[in-house]
Amino acid sequence: RKEVEQDPGPFNVPEGATVAFNCTYSNSASQSFFWYRQDCRKEPKLLMSVYSSGNEDGRFTAQLNRASQYISLLIRDSKLSDSATYLCVVNPPNQGGKLIFGQGTELSVKP
Amino acid sequence: GAGVSQSPRYKVAKRGQDVALRCDPISGHVSLFWYQQALGQGPEFLTYFQNEAQLDKSGLPSDRFFAERPEGSVSTLKIQRTQQEDSAVYLCASSQRGAATGNEQFFGPGTRLTVL
Repeated sequence: RKEVEQDPGPFNVPEGATVAFNCTYSNSASQSFFWYRQDCRKEPKLLMSVYSSGNEDGRFTAQLNRASQYISLLIRDSKLSDSATYLCVVNPPNQGGKLIFGQGTELSVKP
Repeated sequence: GAGVSQSPRYKVAKRGQDVALRCDPISGHVSLFWYQQALGQGPEFLTYFQNEAQLDKSGLPSDRFFAERPEGSVSTLKIQRTQQEDSAVYLCASSQRGAATGNEQFFGPGTRLTVL
């Protein structure tokens, strides 16, 4: 079983749609969680950290369910510019900050 | 300010050749990471430095892979006797602090290695 699992998609949605991505992780002791965004042929960039209480940044909402070892990202009112691959990322404990990435979920927002 | 830079951006090697990939982290960043990203996959951890010390090399796929950061800034990832399965994008990332979870990592643009 992979340490971090995501549905690879692709998700094809119209502008203005709401889309949700899910992710599960295997190490129950993991403490830090992130969503990174990666545009085609570019490097990953931090989109947002994920906190236990859930957090929101504009149109983006991230949720963490520790009991189920499940992380989600909700994007409201999708824009064309949201088209990218979204990577679920976990920081396992006591491993010096290395990141474990999911496969990534591809999102394509169409006009 | 300047971000993480990597060179070369593209490298084509014949099977069996040795290659060296360079990473210049953000100035003053303590931690440096190397990741390998195959097509259609997420990045996979290779190795981690805190200053000049290589604290974790558990992700290096074979003894053909070697990384160094001798002065605690620039790092080089060397691959000896390249094989076709080494074809991937090699990403370098740095973070400001050391040995702590939760620090944001800033990625370079990567080196795309193609082994023929």
